[in-house]
Amino acid sequence: SQTIHQWPATLVQPVGSPLSLECTVEGTSNPNLYWYRQAAGRGLQLLFYSVGIGQISSEVPQNLSASRPQDRQFILSSKKLLLSDSGFYLCAWSVLRQGEKPLHFGNGTRLTVT
Amino acid sequence: AQTVTQSQPEMSVQEAETVTLSCTYDTSESDYYLFWYKQPPSRQMILVIRQEAYKQQNATENRFSVNFQKAAKSFSLKISDSQLGDAAMYFCAYRQKSSGDKLTFGTGTRLAVRP
Repeated sequence: SQTIHQWPATLVQPVGSPLSLECTVEGTSNPNLYWYRQAAGRGLQLLFYSVGIGQISSEVPQNLSASRPQDRQFILSSKKLLLSDSGFYLCAWSVLRQGEKPLHFGNGTRLTVT
Repeated sequence: AQTVTQSQPEMSVQEAETVTLSCTYDTSESDYYLFWYKQPPSRQMILVIRQEAYKQQNATENRFSVNFQKAAKSFSLKISDSQLGDAAMYFCAYRQKSSGDKLTFGTGTRLAVRP
């Protein structure tokens, strides 16, 4: 069966510090991969998605970036965090080119920028 | 761009009663998919139900069913025999068939279940 791992679960970082959140998927190959952010009291905002290694689409211009160095690994990064980067970050995967298949989410990372 | 609107930030239902959560979307596409996700306090995103736009029959999953009105671009979720465990945030989501598989979410409805 497929599983998705996302870490860390909780992170507190000062403004201006770097960020690296990692997500890995097991039990499937060539997945679509996604990073979503959920701000307090708001819905899920798509940040990045990837349909293959090295293929990253950015939905929201900001100081965050994403990389997919391996087929089942998706990394969210920042060189310098802003207070507005605080939120709940969710990684997800879905089956490539099968839109009827749902997204499967990790357990999320709660990021607090102080 | 596709948008998904959930006009009810909060809803409340008595245990064992029925509640309907609203969702509308905006698209010029004719073929797409719609989903309802549940996010309990644990914040884990759980798929509740999905609907394919070309299917006229409304999807049903146990106590959960949808009212899909394609012409009106409406996709409401009905929860029957509400249980305390149904208390959660509920998100409506849209996925265009021809896109890069992006899923666009609404802002969510927080459902409280009164014992």
